[in-house]
Amino acid sequence: GAVVSQHPSRVICKSGTSVKIECRSLDFQATTMFWYRQFPKKSLMLMATSNEGSKATYEQGVEKDKFLINHASLTLSTLTVTSAHPEDSSFYICSARRDYMNEQYFGPGTRLTVT
Amino acid sequence: EDKVVQSPLSLVVHEGDTVTLNCSYEVTNFRSLLWYKQEKKAPTFLFMLTSSGIEKKSGRLSSILDKKELSSILNITATQTGDSAIYLCAVGLQGGSEKLVFGKGTKLTVNP
Repeated sequence: GAVVSQHPSRVICKSGTSVKIECRSLDFQATTMFWYRQFPKKSLMLMATSNEGSKATYEQGVEKDKFLINHASLTLSTLTVTSAHPEDSSFYICSARRDYMNEQYFGPGTRLTVT
Repeated sequence: EDKVVQSPLSLVVHEGDTVTLNCSYEVTNFRSLLWYKQEKKAPTFLFMLTSSGIEKKSGRLSSILDKKELSSILNITATQTGDSAIYLCAVGLQGGSEKLVFGKGTKLTVNP
């Protein structure tokens, strides 16, 4: 159990376009999901906490108008990178916290390349 | 500022060796400590520790938390090449968001 999927796994887009990344908990409910960004040879950086039915909580330094998060159901959260620029190129990983539990389970990640 | 420090940053061993990875933390509202294994993609969950002194074990991997020393170790016995990965330590914080603070990881390379 505890499977989290992400789609797409890899995306290349042009500068100025928007990209949506989906995160789904496949076999459990997750009121809370998290979005991370990982730079090469660095650890995971929490970008925001996504709560079903309410606004996401963003970490300091993360632009909420640039990284739009929608958590419309107990199994789906989306991250939209708006007006993407090459510096947004990164590996984006979501995690889902199983309701009533403390472990977080990670999705396989999305490699975003902005040209 | 909440901080998680892992050591060593990288480690190269031979198959069959036993390794110990370290994680120490300084956080304001500790709730739990988690270990993850990251290969090419996203991290996979290994252990979650909340109580001091109780060892968690899964096959050749084991881990224990020392709340007095604010640290944890992850042991891998009889290492195999498939154990090569980055091992991430994260601390879960109390509070509404339950967010995790990650260390930079230990890159383990197991040579045949």
